[in-house]
Amino acid sequence: NFLLTQPHSVSGSPGETITISCTRSSGSIVSKFVQWYRQRPGSAPTTVIYENNQRPSGVPDRFSGSIDSSSNSASLTISGLRTEDEADYHCQSYDTNYHWVFGGGTKVTVL
Amino acid sequence: EVHLVESGGGLVKPGGSLRLSCAASGFIFTSYSIHWVRQAPGKGLEWVSSINSDSSDLKYADSVKGRFSISRDNAKNSVSLQMNSLRVEDTAVYYCARDAGVDPWGQGILVTVSS
Repeated sequence: NFLLTQPHSVSGSPGETITISCTRSSGSIVSKFVQWYRQRPGSAPTTVIYENNQRPSGVPDRFSGSIDSSSNSASLTISGLRTEDEADYHCQSYDTNYHWVFGGGTKVTVL
Repeated sequence: EVHLVESGGGLVKPGGSLRLSCAASGFIFTSYSIHWVRQAPGKGLEWVSSINSDSSDLKYADSVKGRFSISRDNAKNSVSLQMNSLRVEDTAVYYCARDAGVDPWGQGILVTVSS
């Protein structure tokens, strides 16, 4: 099986742009879709990106997702950072049996 | 409005059993697989199990295989997770969810395994 590795924490000031990486340890990142979930303290996760780069309705276009085969990683970019973006962010993909695999989560802090 | 509501959590001793339920409403239940995802205190998300729409495809994480069993009742719009031989490391908030990237998830239910 493979691992999805995320940075433990990322921070930025209001208005800045931050990027969270999600690196797949083996197998190709492009082989299965990647989702990104935001989780605020005490709440269930909610989807901010699905199928690599698609935004659910209601998610602002400040959130974008991408895939980079050269680094075998997915990225979530948040532009125009706001205080309400402070949360944990989790990437998720699938193994060959379509079991969900999650990254360890990244805590985003707005300075 | 779509709702997923978990129930059945609580405190159980190591080696004990618990049955979680996920009650669904507001969508065509038979159009979706249902997944269980857990989160240990202060930790990340861990996928636990899933069941497809007609119960023909059951999946389990290696950490729970042989101990947990998933089932669904399409007439009652519900999914159950039978958890046996519980271990301290099964302590977590358990969420039910539809397919990946499909919101909302349930609000979560706490399972505590402790002597």
